[in-house]
Amino acid sequence: NAGVTQTPKFQVLKTGQSMTLQCAQDMNHEYMSWYRQDPGMGLRLIHYSVGAGITDQGEVPNGYNVSRSTTEDFPLRLLSAAPSQTSVYFCASSYGAPTNTGELFFGEGSRLTVL
Amino acid sequence: GQQVMQIPQYQHVQEGEDFTTYCNSSTTLSNIQWYKQRPGGHPVFLIQLVKSGEVKKQKRLTFQFGEAKKNSSLHITATQTTDVGTYFCAPGGAGNMLTFGGGTRLMVKP
Repeated sequence: NAGVTQTPKFQVLKTGQSMTLQCAQDMNHEYMSWYRQDPGMGLRLIHYSVGAGITDQGEVPNGYNVSRSTTEDFPLRLLSAAPSQTSVYFCASSYGAPTNTGELFFGEGSRLTVL
Repeated sequence: GQQVMQIPQYQHVQEGEDFTTYCNSSTTLSNIQWYKQRPGGHPVFLIQLVKSGEVKKQKRLTFQFGEAKKNSSLHITATQTTDVGTYFCAPGGAGNMLTFGGGTRLMVKP
């Protein structure tokens, strides 16, 4: 099993450009989520999904869109990139609700720089 | 969302010294998880605590959940250079999702 796979690992954008961060998991996990990590800020939840066709907002959703058309994939879209979105993005998945059945499995991260 | 304070933010120790990080909440937590992130890496699950007063051990790591379920701690005995990284507590939040504390970055001098 590959676990949680994120692409790309690195990306540089200009302000106003759009892009999609890809996330795929092969563990048949129901829950998938996106976090961003900024220095000294820990990990903040952007969006999450409890199953195919269902998404919800997390703590910092503005400027990001998500969709969940399949169990395996959970892409994160930046519609019009801003320098404030410079961050490291982590996709994570879990078999059930993270607070109930346990651990989040994280991808290796995508480092995004917006100029 | 759930707010937790994690202290200290940074800790330098000499190899062999002990290390403790604390996670404090103003509200009662249903449960709490701990994660470790190596420099340049991704968070990796360590443990989940659910019961009041629970204590769990993993080799040199001891995890505690407070009696009132408002705080938790991670204690490492006799640190090694392999312990270097950032340790995050993660209590449950809205929608059964986790929120993460700011983390404690541990640096170990050999």
